[in-house]
Amino acid sequence: DAKTTQPPSMDCAEGRAANLPCNHSTISGNEYVYWYRQIHSQGPQYIIHGLKNNETNEMASLIITEDRKSSTLILPHATLRDTAVYYCIVRGGNSGYALNFGKGTSLLVTP
Amino acid sequence: EAQVTQNPRYLITVTGKKLTVTCSQNMNHEYMSWYRQDPGLGLRQIYYSMNVEVTDKGDVPEGYKVSRKEKRNFPLILESPSPNQTSLYFCASSLSSSGINTDTQYFGPGTRLTVL
Repeated sequence: DAKTTQPPSMDCAEGRAANLPCNHSTISGNEYVYWYRQIHSQGPQYIIHGLKNNETNEMASLIITEDRKSSTLILPHATLRDTAVYYCIVRGGNSGYALNFGKGTSLLVTP
Repeated sequence: EAQVTQNPRYLITVTGKKLTVTCSQNMNHEYMSWYRQDPGLGLRQIYYSMNVEVTDKGDVPEGYKVSRKEKRNFPLILESPSPNQTSLYFCASSLSSSGINTDTQYFGPGTRLTVL
């Protein structure tokens, strides 16, 4: 799987949009971008994934650049419960089913 | 409710005393997997199973065994636990093990194991 790079930590004020960046410059054509989050030692939770088009669901939006070398996860109105470690993962093709979580971005949402 | 369950959630044991951590999913998923999470090392895959009676090693299989006799269950067995297996363990499952591996993985709540 392609390697991803994320900032180690970010802050966001409650009610504001949280924009979490991810670089994946070695992504190949059949690899998807996935986002998971982990709230304080709970099981990781799926958020969203995409291939090349922007995606939106009830939790977040995913913006993937045209060259697919980077993406941004957007939490439109962050709440205190969104404080978590967010993982950007690239996977697909024949790379197997294991998720390579990396270190992620620790997002702190403040009142 | 669709979910992955693990038991026990917390366990303190002593070196050498065999233990089993159970994992069960009610979503009829084919693929199941075990991860361990350690500070500074992230989540690492221990074993996985593509379907009943089909299991394979992940990145850190030493000291662990698994079995997949039924589709819904995937227990993790530590025959002779050692202190370096003190960790937070997660079971995960996803719908399919064939085709493009883009299925969402669902995780259990975790089992915190301490081996003294």
